Amino acid sequence: KQEVTQIPAALSVPEGENLVLNCSFTDSAIYNLQWFRQDPGKGLTSLLLIQSSQREQTSGRLNASLDKSSGRSTLYIAASQPGDSATYLCAVRHGDYKLSFGAGTTVTVRA
Amino acid sequence: NAGVTQTPKFQVLKTGQSMTLQCAQDMNHNSMYWYRQDPGMGLRLIYYSASEGTTDKGEVPNGYNVSRLNKREFSLRLESAAPSQTSVYFCASSERTRGEAFFGQGTRLTVV
Repeated sequence: KQEVTQIPAALSVPEGENLVLNCSFTDSAIYNLQWFRQDPGKGLTSLLLIQSSQREQTSGRLNASLDKSSGRSTLYIAASQPGDSATYLCAVRHGDYKLSFGAGTTVTVRA
Repeated sequence: NAGVTQTPKFQVLKTGQSMTLQCAQDMNHNSMYWYRQDPGMGLRLIYYSASEGTTDKGEVPNGYNVSRLNKREFSLRLESAAPSQTSVYFCASSERTRGEAFFGQGTRLTVV
């Protein structure tokens, strides 16, 4: 059974600092990995999708890396802003189309 | 540009009542999912449908049934609601090739 772990569970940083969020998974036979953002009381918004053959994806201030062999992904958010405060979730997709989620990292960016 | 639409957004049920949560996607995706989200537990998969005509159990299927009505719609039914089913329910869909998943806005269900 795939286990997805996100560390730390919560993070508080001053505005302008770079954020580093970690995701690890136990079964490296994944199809892809996706990072989401969730604001309180809202649904999940897709941030970045990395296919299993890729090493990283970038979108604006966001960069996600994937090391499938070691079962790790890292989401970097450059120059954090108060608007980046949210919960960030990673999910891995398997060949049978199942999506398994980590519990998330709750980020607070202090102005 | 609707994406994944869930109805209702909020619901209060009494213990033992039944209800169906509806989900529809307009992106022509093959796969659809139902999750529940509870504080401290993250998102747990209830059921999923890899393609029209197929459904499979996820981590926490007990007390739920699903129907993949057609390619667009995937419903979740609670036959006899219990307080332990108080949760936020999310529906999602993904397309086969690239596999990016998209989520609805959720249904907040309270069972009293």
